[in-house]
Amino acid sequence: GQSLEQPSEVTAVEGAIVQINCTYQTSGFYGLSWYQQHDGGAPTFLSYNALDGLEETGRFSSFLSRSDSYGYLLLQELQMKDSASYFCAVTTGANNLFFGTGTRLTVIP
Amino acid sequence: GAVVSQHPSWVICKSGTSVKIECRSLDFQATTMFWYRQFPKQSLMLMATSNEGSKATYEQGVEKDKFLINHASLTLSTLTVTSAHPEDSSFYICSAFRTAPYSGGYTFGSGTRLTVV
Repeated sequence: GQSLEQPSEVTAVEGAIVQINCTYQTSGFYGLSWYQQHDGGAPTFLSYNALDGLEETGRFSSFLSRSDSYGYLLLQELQMKDSASYFCAVTTGANNLFFGTGTRLTVIP
Repeated sequence: GAVVSQHPSWVICKSGTSVKIECRSLDFQATTMFWYRQFPKQSLMLMATSNEGSKATYEQGVEKDKFLINHASLTLSTLTVTSAHPEDSSFYICSAFRTAPYSGGYTFGSGTRLTVV
């Protein structure tokens, strides 16, 4: 089976940097993705790592260490609109996408 | 970009009735679509993988006779919740796999909020 663990809640100040961690145990690992979901909405793709290292996309960066079964999402210059739930997700060999437990980020002024 | 349309966006039904949810890929062909269920403040749980022209593959613990999936064309997959009960009330989301994951290859529908009364 698949198991992806994230902190349940994170609170950070507007303009700050926040890191959301993800540890996983899966079979058939192909890559780690990150998605953002606002309440009542669909998940939107943020970033993807297939290889170890850091991927940067604007204010968002994502890191993967396959040997440690660990990754994180880094959000810089936080804005109020970044308040949402963030999910890591693993792609398996069957192209299935399994989501982590989710982290609710609250950005405060 | 790739667009997936999901309909209806919300539905209320009586206990014991069936509800059909449609998921369409509007500008690309999707041989594989996925159905997820999400309870409030919880993660998205993969229910099944829908394959065009063949039977769906269900995840462990998902009743295939209760959640009927049909993927009759390259652009349409449907999920029918049969004999719905209040515990089936949830947010159902479909996604389609278009290209490699690193390009955001999974596109999600807007979701269907099902309430069974």
